[in-house]
Amino acid sequence: AQRVTQPEKLLSVFKGAPVELKCNYSYSGSPELFWYVQYSRQRLQLLLRHISRESIKGFTADLNKGETSFHLKKPFAQEEDSAMYYCALTRDSSYKLIFGSGTRLLVRP
Amino acid sequence: EPEVTQTPSHQVTQMGQEVILRCVPISNHLYFYWYRQILGQKVEFLVSFYNNEISEKSEIFDDQFSVERPDGSNFTLKIRSTKLEDSAMYFCASTRDPLDTQYFGPGTRLTVL
Repeated sequence: AQRVTQPEKLLSVFKGAPVELKCNYSYSGSPELFWYVQYSRQRLQLLLRHISRESIKGFTADLNKGETSFHLKKPFAQEEDSAMYYCALTRDSSYKLIFGSGTRLLVRP
Repeated sequence: EPEVTQTPSHQVTQMGQEVILRCVPISNHLYFYWYRQILGQKVEFLVSFYNNEISEKSEIFDDQFSVERPDGSNFTLKIRSTKLEDSAMYFCASTRDPLDTQYFGPGTRLTVL
């Protein structure tokens, strides 16, 4: 079965420090990978998807098929990056999002 | 910018009662989804809906659940006889094309007592 794993429930860093939120997946086909973010008291919103290869708010993520990973990175964290981050995938012939359990990022001043 | 809206924001009900959660997807979107998140757990897919039909549903989506698009704007999730374990945050999402980004509503918190 398809699965998305985010091993860290909480990641706490200081402002200006690099951030890496880990995401691993299990799926034998060709998944599409996403990062969604939920800021405090706001809705889930797409941060980025691997197919678009964009950098949003300074975040990037590279799909590593060999390691089945899609880690989210940012070189210099900002306080406004504090939020809940969810990694998700969709698989061939299905468009439902399969989510990981989420990582709460706390950026301290 | 258009957004998905959901009502109510919080619903409290007694076990065994029927509830209807309402969603207004973005107006030119054609694909609709319901997800739920039990407190402390993952966001889980419930059902997808296109062209007035369910296109996919999860194991959670049993006979107690139903979805409907009663008019051109609303998309509803009905739970016929609520159980304690139905307490969760329910999210609606919509997209114009299944390959596009899914846009989420703010959620309805359902509390079953």
